[in-house]
Amino acid sequence: SQQGEEDPQALSIQEGENATMNCSYKTSINNLQWYRQNSGRGLVHLILIRSNEREKHSGRLRVTLDTSKKSSSLLITASRAADTASYFCATDPNTGGFKTIFGAGTRLFVKA
Amino acid sequence: SQTIHQWPATLVQPVGSPLSLECTVEGTSNPNLYWYRQAAGRGLQLLFYSVGIGQISSEVPQNLSASRPQDRQFILSSKKLLLSDSGFYLCAWRKVRGDGYTFGSGTRLTVV
Repeated sequence: SQQGEEDPQALSIQEGENATMNCSYKTSINNLQWYRQNSGRGLVHLILIRSNEREKHSGRLRVTLDTSKKSSSLLITASRAADTASYFCATDPNTGGFKTIFGAGTRLFVKA
Repeated sequence: SQTIHQWPATLVQPVGSPLSLECTVEGTSNPNLYWYRQAAGRGLQLLFYSVGIGQISSEVPQNLSASRPQDRQFILSSKKLLLSDSGFYLCAWRKVRGDGYTFGSGTRLTVV
């Protein structure tokens, strides 16, 4: 399977609930990034967490990284209808190259 | 502040016709520039990246090419489009490897 796989593929929640998305990867990494993409638009960078960090916050977003399990999670608290989008994780492998590996994304739908 | 411009937003081209997509970055110098393609409901596939003027690295052999005639200009081209070239093309930049990306708004290319 591909490096940078998100789980679940799709998630539907009510406004005000928390949304948790997971990402797994296979190789050693320098960093892991989370992006949001609204339909038909470019990706927007949310958070970058480096391999020596375990948790990072930005507003209603919380990202964790467990390098021993090669996994990360993105938590969106108190979700809003405007959070409806696809969310992608991306990893920069620790190999010295320029290729970032993107997952296929989690489609989040927040019902008002 | 840094901005990235990508155009056109949508393009419908006949099979066999040429292609030119342009991307420019403002507010920074010597950025690392990238062209990605995204199939519907999928993650991003790296096509080309450039770390400097005239320096192009190709990740996927196909009938597309890229050029970087100026420091902050990145062009994606084809001499003869194929049906399989249809997709959503995204230009992106980052200052150095290991940073997060800033993406353009994307070009929806449909080859008919």
